[in-house]
Amino acid sequence: DVKVTQSSRYLVKRTGEKVFLECVQDMDHENMFWYRQDPGLGLRLIYFSYDVKMKEKGDIPEGYSVSREKKERFSLILESASTNQTSMYLCASSLWAGGKKTQYFGPGTRLLVL
Amino acid sequence: AQSVTQLGSHVSVSEGALVLLRCNYSSSVPPYLFWYVQYPNQGLQLLLKYTSAATLVKGINGFEAEFKKSETSFHLTKPSAHMSDAAEYFCAVRDWRGATNKLIFGTGTLLAVQP
Repeated sequence: DVKVTQSSRYLVKRTGEKVFLECVQDMDHENMFWYRQDPGLGLRLIYFSYDVKMKEKGDIPEGYSVSREKKERFSLILESASTNQTSMYLCASSLWAGGKKTQYFGPGTRLLVL
Repeated sequence: AQSVTQLGSHVSVSEGALVLLRCNYSSSVPPYLFWYVQYPNQGLQLLLKYTSAATLVKGINGFEAEFKKSETSFHLTKPSAHMSDAAEYFCAVRDWRGATNKLIFGTGTLLAVQP
């Protein structure tokens, strides 16, 4: 079974803190994704990566950065957390190719910024 | 540009009743379409997908969906709801901008199953 793990299920941070969210997958997938999920808005893509050290902005990248130094690990960084970044963050991974491949999701990290 | 619209943010059915969750898509190219389910406090799990083969797609847990090009729809159905089906359901379309396997998600439909 594909397994995608996220470093924390719940996080509470202060405004202005630097926050790291970690995601690890064990299936040698090329693609990895970070989404945020908000009620009534569904999932919105923040960043994705299609290879080590390769990244592209998604639809809402402002206030976020990412790092992919190893194929299995994709980190989301909030440079200076703000209250409007309080949300559920979901990581996903998939094989490259064709758009037919399933994305596999981690359990999510619920972040509260005070 | 592609998009999906899920009609009804909340749907409530009785146990044993038909489940129908609606999804309409917009796409200038042949779409790849997906349904995902999210149980409370969990990540998303694939229910089924349409990638231009058979138009009636069967998924896990007794769910199925039919791709109807003339109606630009990909509605999710299950003949008989079970209490364990209570969850949030997301329709998604493959984003053809770029070569990567990106998805565009709908806003979700929360399904409640009444005893």
